[in-house]
Amino acid sequence: DADVTQTPRNRITKTGKRIMLECSQTKGHDRMYWYRQDPGLGLRLIYYSFDVKDINKGEISDGYSVSRQAQAKFSLSLESAIPNQTALYFCATSDSKSLTGELFFGEGSRLTVL
Amino acid sequence: GEDVEQSLFLSVREGDSSVINCTYTDSSSTYLYWYKQEPGAGLQLLTYIFSNMDMKQDQRLTVLLNKKDKHLSLRIADTQTGDSAIYFCAEEDSNYQLIWGAGTKLIIKP
Repeated sequence: DADVTQTPRNRITKTGKRIMLECSQTKGHDRMYWYRQDPGLGLRLIYYSFDVKDINKGEISDGYSVSRQAQAKFSLSLESAIPNQTALYFCATSDSKSLTGELFFGEGSRLTVL
Repeated sequence: GEDVEQSLFLSVREGDSSVINCTYTDSSSTYLYWYKQEPGAGLQLLTYIFSNMDMKQDQRLTVLLNKKDKHLSLRIADTQTGDSAIYFCAEEDSNYQLIWGAGTKLIIKP
């Protein structure tokens, strides 16, 4: 089983719908992140959380919200999806005690907004 | 703000060396990273280099860091079809967040 699991893996929805992407991890890491990947743009940070009570906006948080329900769970919501939120979304984790700060990624959730 | 740049594509013949280049702007970065993304998968850390090093070698991989020019490169010796992937360069900024390049897609020709 994957250490970082994202659901759903693929989702097609319509403009204006509310969407939630979920992430769970079994690595015991305290830090979790949501990134968005667009072709030719690399990864952009949406939100990150350093522990259960800590939520921080990233580079492109507008139109998104998050919830850290437990150390192992971090969900991303699009309250009213729009077509330019069509992208591949990645959840990642890291351990604050790691010297290198290595990120561990889920397999991605591909979202299409029509 | 900080920026990381890399070319979007690199095509090499199987068996040749691949060199993927990256430039960055934040001179205070402690670590610089190379992540690999295989088709349909998430990113995985391939290697990293500490900012006080000039070179790091790990089997077929060689990372070179030129701090003066803020240039990072990844050399893959004897490139194989399994090396086909997108390679991302990333630097750690002063807030311990990663700034990512756009990724270089490595295409292997037979």
